[in-house]
Order: sequence, then structure tokens, then C-alpha cells
Amino acid sequence: DTGVSQDPRHKITKRGQNVTFRCDPISEHNRLYWYRQTLGQGPEFLTYFQNEAQLEKSRLLSDRFSAERPKGSFSTLEIQRTEQGDSAMYLCASSLTGFHVHFGEGSWLTVV
Amino acid sequence: QQPVQSPQAVILREGEDAVINCSSSKALYSVHWYRQKHGEAPVFLMILLKGGEQKGHEKISASFNEKKQQSSLYLTASQLSYSGTYFCGQTSGNTPLVFGKGTRLSVIA
Repeated sequence: DTGVSQDPRHKITKRGQNVTFRCDPISEHNRLYWYRQTLGQGPEFLTYFQNEAQLEKSRLLSDRFSAERPKGSFSTLEIQRTEQGDSAMYLCASSLTGFHVHFGEGSWLTVV
Repeated sequence: QQPVQSPQAVILREGEDAVINCSSSKALYSVHWYRQKHGEAPVFLMILLKGGEQKGHEKISASFNEKKQQSSLYLTASQLSYSGTYFCGQTSGNTPLVFGKGTRLSVIA
């Protein structure tokens, strides 16, 4: 059973650049979630998909953030015109109908 | 609205017990507990559904009282490997998990 995988694991980018993260969920899981976590805080919900439909977006998700899950399998999270405040760990998670949510290892973003 | 965890941090000696509490201002459908080690992803511990159930996994157990909108995680005879930050996550039905700020647990020899 392969777990949730995320790529890249670490990304350093200059302010103003765009970055994209990819998440491959556990294969039979229909739900996919994106969270953001900063030091000393719990994971903050950003958005989630059920199959290919994006069902909910947090108010934290500004217009610079966009997420897709085109075929109901992998997902991408793009951040445009990055700001220093975007520096965080971006966690992807998946589940089957909302129970036992499995997290990936996370993608660390540093904006310099 | 995120759940409130207490205490924020606790230091234990090996073999001691600890209780971590998680409370919510909203009616809860389920509570999920995770442990996260520094620089790693959160790891699932257990899920509790409304009905006041208790669950256990080796020396870690939890209870959920949906009337009081509270859950507690019990760690008995703590081991060094229990160190990490514990998060409770809550759902109010078919909603994504909302996490508390975490309880940092340090177990020392």
C-alpha cells in the first residue's frame, strides 16, 4: 500500500515567482485535501476534492492559489506571485469518504 | 472554528502518564487524533465517532463525549517514542478536518 506522495519535497523560490506542488493520493481514495502548516501551528485547511470536484475552499485560499484534480487522481496546487508569507509546509492528504485521513510527507516552501 | 487543546505543552519522564484534552464550541460528529514528529507529516492514531466511544491502541487510548463536545487522549506508561506534537481534528458531519494548535509532548529518560 503506497501512501500519499508529494513532489517536490522542498522548494526555494524568489518572491513573485510561481510554484506548483503535486500530490498523488492513495489510489482508491476519492477525497483529496490540501492543508498548510506553519511552525507551531496545526494544519490549516485550504481546499478539498471529492473525485474531480472541488467541494470547498477556505477563506485562507487567496486568488493567487489554485488547485486542480483533473481526472480525480493526482492533484496540483499552484501559488502565483509568491509572497514571503506563503512560506510553509503544504500537506496533501487523502481518504475514502472522510474517514482515516492519510497525510503525505509535505512540501516545504521557502520564499526568499 | 478550530478546537482548543490543552495543555499546550507537557514534559514527562519515561513511564509517566499524560492526558491531552480537546474541546470544541461546535457539535461534533467525529474526532481524529494525530501525532507529528518534527519535520514529518502527521500520523493517524485513532478516530472516534459520536456515541461516547472509547478506543485504545496499546498504551494510547481516547474518549469522546459528544454532549460535552470534548475528547481526551490518554497516554500511559509513556515511552521516548511518544514525543511529538499531538493534534486533534474535528468534523461536524461531512466536513474536512479542522485541527487544533497541538500539544507538544516531550518524554525524557
